[in-house]
Amino acid sequence: AQSVTQLDSQVPVFEEAPVELRCNYSSSVSVYLFWYVQYPNQGLQLLLKYLSGSTLVKGINGFEAEFNKSQTSFHLRKPSVHISDTAEYFCAVSLRPLRGTYKYIFGTGTRLKVLA
Amino acid sequence: DTGVSQDPRHKITKRGQNVTFRCDPISEHNRLYWYRQTLGQGPEFLTYFQNEAQLEKSRLLSDRFSAERPKGSFSTLEIQRTEQGDSAMYLCASSSTLARYRASYEQYFGPGTRLTVT
Repeated sequence: AQSVTQLDSQVPVFEEAPVELRCNYSSSVSVYLFWYVQYPNQGLQLLLKYLSGSTLVKGINGFEAEFNKSQTSFHLRKPSVHISDTAEYFCAVSLRPLRGTYKYIFGTGTRLKVLA
Repeated sequence: DTGVSQDPRHKITKRGQNVTFRCDPISEHNRLYWYRQTLGQGPEFLTYFQNEAQLEKSRLLSDRFSAERPKGSFSTLEIQRTEQGDSAMYLCASSSTLARYRASYEQYFGPGTRLTVT
């Protein structure tokens, strides 16, 4: 069975400081990896995704993530955060479609709070 | 492209009542998913449709839950005899197998319906 672990439930960081949100996954088959952001009372918005190719993926709003197959990790980073980045961040995996399923499995989320 | 829409955005109901939620996916999208998100948790998969066919259901989807997508466009999720444990945000997402979307495998999420069972 597949699972996603986000080790940090909350991450406080000062404005303009760098941040890393950690995500580890467990799967016996190849997966696709995603990071979504959720602002209060809103749905999920895709930040970035890894399907194949370069392990460093760049997304929207200055975020990037690196896929590490040996460590089964997909950590999200931003070199300088803004107050507006305060939100909940979710890591998700999807089995590659050859496995016949398309559902996402989400982590429990990390609440990023950017302090002035 | 107006995005995925869900109605209602909020629903308060008494235990034992039935409720129905609607999801309108992005117009070109033939896949539609339902997830449930409780406080402090990530979304959990409930079920998904390809066109009008319901192809996968989670064990979370008890007999009190039923989902339909009769014409392969909008979908409804009904919960019968609601319980307090059903209180959650219900999220709908859609994706497409069209060639120009296929490589992305991305699901687009709606704003959700927040259900409170009193």
